[in-house]
Amino acid sequence: DTGVSQDPRHKITKRGQNVTFRCDPISEHNRLYWYRQTLGQGPEFLTYFQNEAQLEKSRLLSDRFSAERPKGSFSTLEIQRTEQGDSAMYLCASSLVGGVMTDTQYFGPGTRLTVL
Amino acid sequence: ILNVEQSPQSLHVQEGDSTNFTCSFPSSNFYALHWYRWETAKSPEALFVMTLNGDEKKKGRISATLNTKEGYSYLYIKGSQPEDSATYLCAFLPNDYKLSFGAGTTVTVRA
Repeated sequence: DTGVSQDPRHKITKRGQNVTFRCDPISEHNRLYWYRQTLGQGPEFLTYFQNEAQLEKSRLLSDRFSAERPKGSFSTLEIQRTEQGDSAMYLCASSLVGGVMTDTQYFGPGTRLTVL
Repeated sequence: ILNVEQSPQSLHVQEGDSTNFTCSFPSSNFYALHWYRWETAKSPEALFVMTLNGDEKKKGRISATLNTKEGYSYLYIKGSQPEDSATYLCAFLPNDYKLSFGAGTTVTVRA
């Protein structure tokens, strides 16, 4: 399977703990995006990378959140000192900018975070 | 934050019936409109990318239309089947390449 993968699929943690999620994009894709989805809402943009450069961060991304894409391939999203309000589905997507398609983003299955 | 709205929030359809639902989006700075289908426990699946006013796209029994001047898109499901049960998300792509999603329309097809 050459789609976008995310690990873990589910994470339960206690308030105050740190968590880290991983996303492996489609191998030839140069853009990688992180979104967060809460109940009853559509996915909300958090941040994106073009190759290894983080080009934009949403105001939703507080200082407790950090994302990296060190070699322009996989990415990690870390949340420090988790709060109950961080409970959500975290989605990763990748796309090929400069390709034929109009920047279609291909999504992974998400990591569902529950903060107790 | 761009205002992308989908209605209805949910609908129930009898197997074999046809249905449609709406996505409305800002009519300025339009670049593309995406439709995704998201089944439970799976990845959102790209259905259509629509770029031109008057675009109509079709994939099997599912089709979509686009009106960029008035800022809406319709998605149609013809002859609904149980496997069509999913949440259908539309996403507006302005020229800064950041997708803004609607909250989705959850379709449940009853056998």
